Amino acid sequence: DTGVSQDPRHKITKRGQNVTFRCDPISEHNRLYWYRQTLGQGPEFLTYFQNEAQLEKSRLLSDRFSAERPKGSFSTLEIQRTEQGDSAMYLCASSLAGLRTDTQYFGPGTRLTVL
Amino acid sequence: QKEVEQDPGPLSVPEGAIVSLNCTYSNSAFQYFMWYRQYSRKGPELLMYTYSSGNKEDGRFTAQVDKSSKYISLFIRDSQPSDSATYLCAMKNAGGTSYGKLTFGQGTILTVHP
Repeated sequence: DTGVSQDPRHKITKRGQNVTFRCDPISEHNRLYWYRQTLGQGPEFLTYFQNEAQLEKSRLLSDRFSAERPKGSFSTLEIQRTEQGDSAMYLCASSLAGLRTDTQYFGPGTRLTVL
Repeated sequence: QKEVEQDPGPLSVPEGAIVSLNCTYSNSAFQYFMWYRQYSRKGPELLMYTYSSGNKEDGRFTAQVDKSSKYISLFIRDSQPSDSATYLCAMKNAGGTSYGKLTFGQGTILTVHP
């Protein structure tokens, strides 16, 4: 399978714990995006990278959230001191910049439950 | 007020019906318009991609964009039970610092019953 992959698919944690998610984009894609989706809502943009550079970060992203893409390939999203309001599906997408369409392809998501 | 408004439904139609889904938006900088389909507990899957105003057809799906009214639509002809999913509209700017960011509607839940 050469699509976007995310790990883990599900994560249950207790309030106050730190969690880290991983995203592996489609291999030739140089852009990588993180979104958050809560029940009954559309995905909300969190941040995106072009290669290893983080080009935009949503104001919704509190200081407890940090994302990295150290070698311009896979990315990690870390949430420190989790809160119940962080419970959501975290979606990763990738695209190839330079094409007119720059289509974003999504992974299956990581579902986070904070108890 | 949200930048993109989409009626969440739910919408229930019989097999074979024509389905009409739509979104309105307020940001005139949006130039690219997309429709994604999302099955339960899965990631969104791109269905249609349109640049600026006009129509685009792909099989049973037709996307329409009317930038003057800030209104986009997706039509599904001969709907099938396998079309049952949540349909998300999404939009983005043509350039600038927010170029990469997609802004989504809330999603419309569609059920096609046999």
